[in-house]
Amino acid sequence: QVQLQESGPGLIKPSQTLSLTCTVSGGSISSGGYYWSWIRQHPGKGLEWIGYIYYSGSTYYNPSLKSRVTMSVDTSKIQFSLNLNSVTAADTAMYYCARDDILTGASIWGQGTLVTVSS
Amino acid sequence: DIQMTQSPSTLSASVGDRVTITCRASQSINNWLAWYQQIPGKAPKVLIYKASTLESGVPSRFSGSGSGTEFTLTISSLQPDDFATYYCQQYNSYSRTFGQGTKVEIK
Repeated sequence: QVQLQESGPGLIKPSQTLSLTCTVSGGSISSGGYYWSWIRQHPGKGLEWIGYIYYSGSTYYNPSLKSRVTMSVDTSKIQFSLNLNSVTAADTAMYYCARDDILTGASIWGQGTLVTVSS
Repeated sequence: DIQMTQSPSTLSASVGDRVTITCRASQSINNWLAWYQQIPGKAPKVLIYKASTLESGVPSRFSGSGSGTEFTLTISSLQPDDFATYYCQQYNSYSRTFGQGTKVEIK
């Protein structure tokens, strides 16, 4: 059974780069048909799609975050990563990674990791 | 970008009630719509995909319908475990968009 687990610092300072990794277990990241996604949720708010990466490295980002987002994939480590630069307090949120199936949507989610931006 | 508008934002209901949540897309999404349930402190869980297909393991009291731009999620008889927040999401285009969410509260 495929499982996802986010990891990364829980506290970063304004203007720094938020870096998170999602480790996939129980499956391969190289199989086609899946988009490896990042989604965030501000405290007490709704879900915001950040973007996704395909195993080939192709990416698609939310236009509102595109200028600050970079995603990468490491198929050998079965991991994919999110970098969000120039963070502010507005980037404080729970960050989820998910496997987005082109037929079913985001069918598998990590448990989420809370990132706080504060000096 | 495709915008998703969900209504209502909050819904108060009792156990056993029939509940309907609506999601409207700003343009046709060809039924590429999913519904998620989120319990506080947990990651969202997919209930319905492709507008009306029930995810494996999801109780049959949940159903989805609609096409084009108008979609509904129905819970036929609300159970205690169903008090949660529900989100729609379009996955028609390369991008993805969530609705604002509907919180189902105990009346």
